[in-house]
Amino acid sequence: QQQVKQSPQSLIVQKGGISIINCAYENTAFDYFPWYQQFPGKGPALLIAIRPDVSEKKEGRFTISFNKSAKQFSLHIMDSQPGDSATYFCAASKTRDDKIIFGKGTRLHILP
Amino acid sequence: KAGVTQTPRYLIKTRGQQVTLSCSPISGHRSVSWYQQTPGQGLQFLFEYFSETQRNKGNFPGRFSGRQFSNSRSEMNVSTLELGDSALYLCASNRQGRAGELFFGEGSRLTVL
Repeated sequence: QQQVKQSPQSLIVQKGGISIINCAYENTAFDYFPWYQQFPGKGPALLIAIRPDVSEKKEGRFTISFNKSAKQFSLHIMDSQPGDSATYFCAASKTRDDKIIFGKGTRLHILP
Repeated sequence: KAGVTQTPRYLIKTRGQQVTLSCSPISGHRSVSWYQQTPGQGLQFLFEYFSETQRNKGNFPGRFSGRQFSNSRSEMNVSTLELGDSALYLCASNRQGRAGELFFGEGSRLTVL
């Protein structure tokens, strides 16, 4: 019930294409869903996040789509660039318990 | 505002030794979490401290321990090092009630020979 399942494990996308990473959760008590981006040799950094009362959030080329009934959410990177090559982690947190659960990560490689 | 600072950034130890890693959180953040990251294993949660108390603990053996000081700085210790302990150890801090908004340091890269 505490797991967050992330797929795919790795992804290769052509420059200019759309990168899509999917996550699924089980516990409906989660109330905050962030995505983290990690470049080699660096710690993860918060990229974008969504709360379950909205179905989509967009920040620049990055969009989170959220499906509450299916308990799924996804990250879309439009016009993917080589600089987007990184590992992406989805997560789910419960404000009340002050806890966060991470997915296992997706290694994204954008071909130039 | 200074970010999360971890020291040392790199270290090499041999099996059986012990190691202590240090983390200074962002000013005002009282919650500090530690994660182990190995290739293909994602972020493995070690423990979380808040106001000098361990609030949550992951599934790691007792060789892994930590503590938090009154200024919110935290240390983690690994005793009797094993080859499998080679990893990037990440520290993160957050404001109370904002567990989803973690600020990570750049990590301490531990190599055990």
